[in-house]
Amino acid sequence: DIQMTQSPSSLSASVGDRVTMTCRASQSINTYLNWYQQKPGKAPKLLIYAASSLQSGVPSRFSGSGSGTDFTLTISSLQPEDFATYYCQKSYITPSFGPGTKVDIK
Amino acid sequence: EVQLVESGGGSVKPGGSLRLSCAVSGFNFTKTWMSWVRQAPGKGLEWVGRIRSKSDGGTADHAAPVKGRFTISRDDSKNTLYLQMNSLKIEDTAVYYCTTDRAAYDNRGHYYVPFFDYWGQGALATVSS
Repeated sequence: DIQMTQSPSSLSASVGDRVTMTCRASQSINTYLNWYQQKPGKAPKLLIYAASSLQSGVPSRFSGSGSGTDFTLTISSLQPEDFATYYCQKSYITPSFGPGTKVDIK
Repeated sequence: EVQLVESGGGSVKPGGSLRLSCAVSGFNFTKTWMSWVRQAPGKGLEWVGRIRSKSDGGTADHAAPVKGRFTISRDDSKNTLYLQMNSLKIEDTAVYYCTTDRAAYDNRGHYYVPFFDYWGQGALATVSS
C-alpha cells in the first residue's frame, strides 16, 4: 500500500503570509495527487487536481507543484477565509488521503 | 447548480444496518462515476468506495475496511446513489459524504487523474450500544 504523509501537521500563520505545506507518497504516484480544503463542520472542497491544476473557481493564490513522491501546496498570501485543514489525496490505484495540515491564526 | 444531498443517517447498534442515499442534480449522473468518503469524529478523510457509470460497466470497488459489509449501488432513473451498510461496527461511526468521481489530464497531458470535485453536505451514521 502507498502511504501518504503531510507536514507539518499544523502551522500558525498571519494574514498575508506565504504558506507552504508538503505531501509525500511512499512510492511514486506521478501526478495522481489532489488537494482539498476543509473547514469545521463542512464538506471538503477540491482546490488542486493532478498536482498542479487549479480547480475552477478557486482563487489563484493557491498553487500546487510536484510529481513522483513529493508535492507542495502553496498559498501565496493567506486570507482570513483560508484558515482550515488541508488534505492531500492520491488517486493512483486506490484513493487515500493524507492526515492533513491544519492552518490556524498566529 | 450541482447538488448532492445525503439522507438516511442515524443511530444503530453494532451489528445493525443503515442505508444512505445521495440524491443528485445539476449534472449528468448517468455518465458520472461516484464515490463515498467518510470522516470519523475529529479524524481525517477515508475513501469508502466508488461505483462506475453503467456505460463503464457499473461495477463498484470497496475499501478493505468495509469490503463484504458495505455495498454501493446506483439508480440512474432516480439520480440517486446508495450506500448499504451491514454488520456495522463502532468504528464505522462517521460522517459519510457522497462525491462525484471524475478525472482530467494533468498539465502535460500524460496522466488521466481522478478527483472528487463535488461533495454532499454529509450524513452522520452513529454506531453505539
